Amino acid sequence: SAVISQKPSRDICQRGTSLTIQCQVDSQVTMMFWYRQQPGQSLTLIATANQGSEATYESGFVIDKFPISRPNLTFSTLTVSNMSPEDSSIYLCSVDGQGGTEAFFGQGTRLTVV
Amino acid sequence: GENVEQHPSTLSVQEGDSAVIKCTYSDSASNYFPWYKQELGKRPQLIIDIRSNVGEKKDQRIAVTLNKTAKHFSLHITETQPEDSAVYFCAAHSGSARQLTFGSGTQLTVLP
Repeated sequence: SAVISQKPSRDICQRGTSLTIQCQVDSQVTMMFWYRQQPGQSLTLIATANQGSEATYESGFVIDKFPISRPNLTFSTLTVSNMSPEDSSIYLCSVDGQGGTEAFFGQGTRLTVV
Repeated sequence: GENVEQHPSTLSVQEGDSAVIKCTYSDSASNYFPWYKQELGKRPQLIIDIRSNVGEKKDQRIAVTLNKTAKHFSLHITETQPEDSAVYFCAAHSGSARQLTFGSGTQLTVLP
């Protein structure tokens, strides 16, 4: 299984500001995924990030709000822009396993917007 | 797109009893079905999975069954222990979309 390091683990931010979350993997992976998990809820896919191309966003998520970078095969960032209290959530990065199906998750970033 | 429904949302069992969580999916092209356990404040952890060419898979106290015709799959935990208490998520993977769709989760509580 892949080892995924995600940071920060938590942050408290002022509304209107932006936070960039980093995700580092210990091996090269084709696809990286960003999820949001609101309190007591399931995981919702925000976008899929491929190296060398623009991220693919799911319905309800837009690039201006959640810009993603994927500069190489082991690293990605998700920025939560112009934050509001509704953005308070846990954000998780994920990668495929060797089989291309099973997902392994970073430890998550608990974001609180005040 | 894929839609995964999971039941029940909460489940309480006595220690030593069995627990069963059920999921249905909508996309007949889905071919991989993992189950994740998420303890409070921690990341989801893969506990067992099954592919569409298999009907059942077992790993110690945990088993998963798949009925492709009915498009449902279930997680079975036997001889439950307090440390099994967590939120469990099912998911379905569509090979064409290369992404997982998660169920809504089941909060399992094992009472000592």
